[in-house]
Amino acid sequence: EAGVAQSPRYKIIEKRQSVAFWCNPISGHATLYWYQQILGQGPKLLIQFQNNGVVDDSQLPKDRFSAERLKGVDSTLKIQPAKLEDSAVYLCASSSIRDRGPYGYTFGSGTRLTVV
Amino acid sequence: AQRVTQPEKLLSVFKGAPVELKCNYSYSGSPELFWYVQYSRQRLQLLLRHISRESIKGFTADLNKGETSFHLKKPFAQEEDSAMYYCALGTNAGKSTFGDGTTLTVKP
Repeated sequence: EAGVAQSPRYKIIEKRQSVAFWCNPISGHATLYWYQQILGQGPKLLIQFQNNGVVDDSQLPKDRFSAERLKGVDSTLKIQPAKLEDSAVYLCASSSIRDRGPYGYTFGSGTRLTVV
Repeated sequence: AQRVTQPEKLLSVFKGAPVELKCNYSYSGSPELFWYVQYSRQRLQLLLRHISRESIKGFTADLNKGETSFHLKKPFAQEEDSAMYYCALGTNAGKSTFGDGTTLTVKP
């Protein structure tokens, strides 16, 4: 099966500019996640979608970050305006809900954002 | 609240030596534990899940609820095991909390 696709791979912007990231999950995976990974730290969940509904966005800085998943497939994550501390790798992951119980994620290759 | 602690940022062993990557967790519910691995220039990928009780690439991990630990072990490390390893704690809702990772270096 095809993996989780993310674009762009790299992005450099100036602070106060806006940026958007795109993710295409594995076909049939109902659950999609956006994680932020700051250098030297583990991934931190920003938002979780089930189909096109938000399950958990408690750690999403909603004053500047937004995300959507139209039609329950692709998703975009936007930052507006960006701050220096937003420099990180943004990871998209998807998982299937077909199996009850614990399951792992399939990750995309990530987008490395540098805010200067 | 969920928390995952990986006490070692860096771990270095010689080829053929045993290796153990530590993971401790805190969670009030029934834990679901995972190990993920990221090789150089590759994406983060699932290594193993505690519920599967499987051995992947010679690695095993046992959930110890008394000590709230899920350490990853391999009896004989190989150079190709050099990578970043993350322990993660999952919930039935699908959300996972990750530790900050351990960089394993296996020296020849």
